[in-house]
Amino acid sequence: NAGVTQTPKFQVLKTGQSMTLQCAQDMNHEYMSWYRQDPGMGLRLIHYSVGAGITDQGEVPNGYNVSRSTTEDFPLRLLSAAPSQTSVYFCASRGQGLVPQYFGPGTRLLVL
Amino acid sequence: GQQVMQIPQYQHVQEGEDFTTYCNSSTTLSNIQWYKQRPGGHPVFLIQLVKSGEVKKQKRLTFQFGEAKKNSSLHITATQTTDVGTYFCAGLKAGGTSYGKLTFGQGTILTVHP
Repeated sequence: NAGVTQTPKFQVLKTGQSMTLQCAQDMNHEYMSWYRQDPGMGLRLIHYSVGAGITDQGEVPNGYNVSRSTTEDFPLRLLSAAPSQTSVYFCASRGQGLVPQYFGPGTRLLVL
Repeated sequence: GQQVMQIPQYQHVQEGEDFTTYCNSSTTLSNIQWYKQRPGGHPVFLIQLVKSGEVKKQKRLTFQFGEAKKNSSLHITATQTTDVGTYFCAGLKAGGTSYGKLTFGQGTILTVHP
C-alpha cells in the first residue's frame, strides 16, 4: 500500500492564480481531511469528508474548495491564491472508529 | 466547540533529561491519540489510549489518559537526539460519531541539545 499520497511536493504560485492539490489514499478509508500547518499554529483543519459525495468545513475553510467524487481521492482547490495561503498542507485519512489517522507527506506552497 | 490545549509550546532539554507534554480537553474524550512529527516530515501515529486512567509505555515513552478522560500526558525518559520533533495529541469528542472530527492540540516542539 502506498498509504496517503500528495502531489505536488512543492509549488510556487502568484497571487490570484488557482491550483489543485491532489490527495489519494489506497486504504479504503472513508474519512479524509485537509490541514494547513503554519509555524506555531499547529494543524488547522480546512475541510473534511466522511465519504464519497459528503464534505464539510473545518475551522479555516475560506479560500478553499473540496470535492469527494470517489473514496480514494480528495483534492483541495485554491480558488484565487493569496500570500496568506503560504503554508504546508497535509492530507490525512482514517477508517471508522477509534483508529489511527494517516498523513500524507505534505505539499509546501508559496504564494508570492 | 471542542478545544484541546497542549503545553508547553516549546521545550528545550539537554540530552539525557526527561520531557513531558500535557494535553487538556474542554470536553470528555472517547480516546486520545499521540503523533510525532519530525522536522520537515509529516505527523506519524504513535499510540492511542481509550480507557479512563490508562497508561501505556513504548520503550522510553510513557503515555497516560486521565481518569476523567479530559487530559493526557506524554513523558519521555532520558531524551535522545532522535526524540527531536513536534508532539501532537488528538482526540474524538465523547458521545459523537466515530466519524467525528479529530481535534488536535497545538503541539509541543521538542529540541534536544547533545
